[in-house]
Amino acid sequence: EADIYQTPRYLVIGTGKKITLECSQTMGHDKMYWYQQDPGMELHLIHYSYGVNSTEKGDLSSESTVSRIRTEHFPLTLESARPSHTSQYLCASSEYGDRAFFGQGTRLTVV
Amino acid sequence: SQQGEEDPQALSIQEGENATMNCSYKTSINNLQWYRQNSGRGLVHLILIRSNEREKHSGRLRVTLDTSKKSSSLLITASRAADTASYFCATDAGGSYIPTFGRGTSLIVHP
Repeated sequence: EADIYQTPRYLVIGTGKKITLECSQTMGHDKMYWYQQDPGMELHLIHYSYGVNSTEKGDLSSESTVSRIRTEHFPLTLESARPSHTSQYLCASSEYGDRAFFGQGTRLTVV
Repeated sequence: SQQGEEDPQALSIQEGENATMNCSYKTSINNLQWYRQNSGRGLVHLILIRSNEREKHSGRLRVTLDTSKKSSSLLITASRAADTASYFCATDAGGSYIPTFGRGTSLIVHP
């Protein structure tokens, strides 16, 4: 149902590597979000965007960065991955005041 | 801190029984949403209820909202084993329209 895609689905990388998690949506939504979720735990908002060239940090402090050069694309980058970054990262998009659509998530493991 | 808090944290019932989950929040909202998450996957939207609504139905789902008590409940009637999942409420505190999630309720329905 949801036209929002995340790649890769799973990623295992070594400490110190730079990684980019991709998120794309085809619904033309202005608002996009990144959440971090540990297994069985709550979702923490780490970044969001109101539209092109808009990016804001969320409630949870994160060493990641995001960009929003195109409406449909909202990638998340970790410059130097650490084991503490091991988690699931969920991307979502929505219209104002409406339901959010989620991607399937990227499960990241840093060894 | 999280805006919404679900209760109970875990619920185990038999197929055919009803399941009720509650959500409490702290500040005024524009709307409240319920989502479902199957293990290790993205979230799927179930119902959105606006602050001026008191009750909404969708199939076997019934959601109520009491803004005076800052609480909502999700009722799943005649539960099925396939309803086994985690259920999250999300609010958009302070007019930000940014979905903020609680810890979720883990529901297990035994066949």
